[in-house]
Amino acid sequence: DAKTTQPPSMDCAEGRAANLPCNHSTISGNEYVYWYRQIHSQGPQYIIHGLKNNETNEMASLIITEDRKSSTLILPHATLRDTAVYYCIVRARVLYGGSQGNLIFGKGTKLSVKP
Amino acid sequence: KAGVTQTPRYLIKTRGQQVTLSCSPISGHRSVSWYQQTPGQGLQFLFEYFSETQRNKGNFPGRFSGRQFSNSRSEMNVSTLELGDSALYLCASSFGAGGPYNEQFFGPGTRLTVL
Repeated sequence: DAKTTQPPSMDCAEGRAANLPCNHSTISGNEYVYWYRQIHSQGPQYIIHGLKNNETNEMASLIITEDRKSSTLILPHATLRDTAVYYCIVRARVLYGGSQGNLIFGKGTKLSVKP
Repeated sequence: KAGVTQTPRYLIKTRGQQVTLSCSPISGHRSVSWYQQTPGQGLQFLFEYFSETQRNKGNFPGRFSGRQFSNSRSEMNVSTLELGDSALYLCASSFGAGGPYNEQFFGPGTRLTVL
């Protein structure tokens, strides 16, 4: 079973920030939070990941609470092309030569960006 | 840098037949994982290969098998196809080395239809 809980759907107006929450209350100290998204019938796309500090890249920002029990993915200026299912996943740090550990996908949040 | 490629993109087979799907990872990536996506079960992990060795396996019957070649390219095989094997089969590649930077990059998938 997925270790994360996400709302099933969210709407966002084009040009506004989309804030997608994720609960991972049982996360352990060596587990990272990863975000992927999947646009209809395409392969999932990696967005961002983090351990405990906030992270930002060209696609999004990831805010992780101090207790690490929840996080928020922020798309600063959502466009229609950001309409997708967003998956929040926790995964342990990989040791050299060790298994990558499979990504356990839950049902994700279906984000609809509306004009 | 080219992304993950999967061939063929679409495939139609009949029950009882077998099928082989191919995946070429991103150049330099040594780990390849396979996932099955269906509307009912979502994204589920099949297996992971690193340096031609299977390192991790999901909960699928023995009809599902895979292998990895010395150039990191991977194939998966499904024998005695059943209607329920109709799905999007996704391949993901990563460096496979230790540390936090092991995000998996997905290919576009192979859409298999079993009639």
